[in-house]
Amino acid sequence: EAGVTQFPSHSVIEKGQTVTLRCDPISGHDNLYWYRRVMGKEIKFLLHFVKESKQDESGMPNNRFLAERTGGTYSTLKVQPAELEDSGVYFCASSQEGGLSYNEQFFGPGTRLTVL
Amino acid sequence: LAKTTQPISMDSYEGQEVNITCSHNNIATNDYITWYQQFPSQGPRFIIQGYKTKVTNEVASLFIPADRKSSTLSLPRVSLSDTAVYYCLVGPARGYQKVTFGTGTKLQVIP
Repeated sequence: EAGVTQFPSHSVIEKGQTVTLRCDPISGHDNLYWYRRVMGKEIKFLLHFVKESKQDESGMPNNRFLAERTGGTYSTLKVQPAELEDSGVYFCASSQEGGLSYNEQFFGPGTRLTVL
Repeated sequence: LAKTTQPISMDSYEGQEVNITCSHNNIATNDYITWYQQFPSQGPRFIIQGYKTKVTNEVASLFIPADRKSSTLSLPRVSLSDTAVYYCLVGPARGYQKVTFGTGTKLQVIP
C-alpha cells in the first residue's frame, strides 16, 4: 500500500512568489492534515480536512495560506505571496476514520520550502 | 490538550535498552498517550499508543503508571537505525484528531 506522498520534496522561491504544495493521502483515508515546522520550532498543526470539508483551520497562520481538497482526495496548500518566515518543512498526514489506534496518523516525507 | 515534558536529548550505545520518560501531569480522563518517531528528512511515524498499564508491540513497549501522569517508552536493544526524535503526545480518544507535537527527545545511538 502506498503511503502519503507529497510534491515537491523541496521548493525554493523568492519572496512574493506563489507556491503550491500537493499532498496525496493514503487511499480511502477521509482525514487529511497539514502541519509545518519552521526553523528551530516545533511541528505545528495547520488544518484538518474530513473528506473535502475543512474540519478545523485554526492553525492557518494568515490569509496568505489557502488549502483545498476538491473531491476529497488529494489536497493542495497554496502560499501567496510567500514571505521569508514561511520557510520550513510542510508535512501532510492522513488517517482513517474509525481506525484501530486513535491518532495513528500517517505522515508524508514533507516538502521543504525555502523562501529567499 | 495536555502539555507534555520530555528530555531534549539522550545518547545510548548500541544494544542497550533505552527508556524515554514523558511527563503529562494534566492528562485528562479520556486522553490516550501516543508516541511518534521521526527520522531525519522524514515525517513522523506512529510507533505505539496506550491508555494505562503496559502496551507492547514489535517496535517498543509503553509503560503507564496508575496515576497516568507520566509514561515511559522503552526501546529494547537499540541499533544505530533507532537514532531519531521521539515525540510523546496526549489527546482525547474520540472526535477531533489534531496532533500536537512538543519538542521531542532526540535519541542518538552510538556504536
